[in-house]
Amino acid sequence: EAGVTQFPSHSVIEKGQTVTLRCDPISGHDNLYWYRRVMGKEIKFLLHFVKESKQDESGMPNNRFLAERTGGTYSTLKVQPAELEDSGVYFCASSPAGETQYFGPGTRLLVL
Amino acid sequence: AQSVTQLGSHVSVSEGALVLLRCNYSSSVPPYLFWYVQYPNQGLQLLLKYTTGATLVKGINGFEAEFKKSETSFHLTKPSAHMSDAAEYFCAVTRANDFNKFYFGSGTKLNVKP
Repeated sequence: EAGVTQFPSHSVIEKGQTVTLRCDPISGHDNLYWYRRVMGKEIKFLLHFVKESKQDESGMPNNRFLAERTGGTYSTLKVQPAELEDSGVYFCASSPAGETQYFGPGTRLLVL
Repeated sequence: AQSVTQLGSHVSVSEGALVLLRCNYSSSVPPYLFWYVQYPNQGLQLLLKYTTGATLVKGINGFEAEFKKSETSFHLTKPSAHMSDAAEYFCAVTRANDFNKFYFGSGTKLNVKP
């Protein structure tokens, strides 16, 4: 069974540009999560989808971040316009139900 | 609010030595506790978890952790380190009544010396 996949693995953009990150959860997992780790600090929760609905987006930093999950399958996280402090590793996780989350490899974003 | 403290951002041990990675948490409700490991260029892999029941939890690759409520701790141990254990380890906590939001520690990088 394929795990959680994320694309791209790395992205380098300039301040003010737009970047879209994609996450494909494990097939059949209704729950999808986004997390972010900034420069060696702790991994922080951004938001949680149940199918296509946002269940909890309390961790989203500001309105420059937009997450979608059309059709309840893959999800995208768009940052527009990107700022320097948005640099970090963005992790996606999925879960069928219950307490264990399965994480993807992350997307390393660098904003110059 | 939940928080997780991992003592030591870097830990170095010799091959064959005991591995001890510390994790303390704060939680206002019964916690679920996890250890994840991240090998270079890979994603987070679940090592072990505590939800209910036995407080000593065994995980993959010979790791185990003990939930000590009185000490609010969930330290990770392995009796004998292997070179392949070199990685970054993350402790995470979530709440038993809302387990969809994980709170992570800042991670501990384990270096294993030959």
